[in-house]
Amino acid sequence: AQTVTQSQPEMSVQEAETVTLSCTYDTSENNYYLFWYKQPPSRQMILVIRQEAYKQQNATENRFSVNFQKAAKSFSLKISDSQLGDTAMYFCAFMKLGETSGSRLTFGEGTQLTVNP
Amino acid sequence: DTEVTQTPKHLVMGMTNKKSLKCEQHMGHRAMYWYKQKAKKPPELMFVYSYEKLSINESVPSRFSPECPNSSLLNLHLHALQPEDSALYLCASSHSPTRGAFETQYFGPGTRLLVL
Repeated sequence: AQTVTQSQPEMSVQEAETVTLSCTYDTSENNYYLFWYKQPPSRQMILVIRQEAYKQQNATENRFSVNFQKAAKSFSLKISDSQLGDTAMYFCAFMKLGETSGSRLTFGEGTQLTVNP
Repeated sequence: DTEVTQTPKHLVMGMTNKKSLKCEQHMGHRAMYWYKQKAKKPPELMFVYSYEKLSINESVPSRFSPECPNSSLLNLHLHALQPEDSALYLCASSHSPTRGAFETQYFGPGTRLLVL
């Protein structure tokens, strides 16, 4: 079984600053994906970024980037130039590859990020 | 387009009512999911349909009854719910690049359910 740990229940950052959210995971699998999802107060779960474990290069999506350390089982999210719209709950999630019954996600407990003006 | 739609947005029901939640996607995804989410908690998986067949049931009480009439549509039928069933119900879908393992899940906006 997999576990995902987000050790920061809450974080805050000033607008335009950079913030890093932490995530660690435990698995014996070799083939998997890692995700960051954000869930604003509007409640829709939005995919922020995906990292394939077989790729050494860290994924980036505009202002969002990850620091993927496979050996350390660490997967942090860096948000640059924070904007008020980044205020949300952020969930780190693990997905084992190769499941034909559906892609089961294991979520962390979430980090509530508040961007202050 | 990664859009999953859900109706209704909000639902209030009594414990004796029967209601249904609806989820739709037109991305050609062949796996669809129901999740229950309590406030400030991660989503909890309830059901998974893979190629229109129920593939995962996470020991959900029978007062929740899923249905997948076709590859684009997923329903969740509700009957005799309890107040503790009040939550946000999220639907998601995912694609299988080849007929095999499924990949990234895309979520709908959810239905906020209140059981009185």
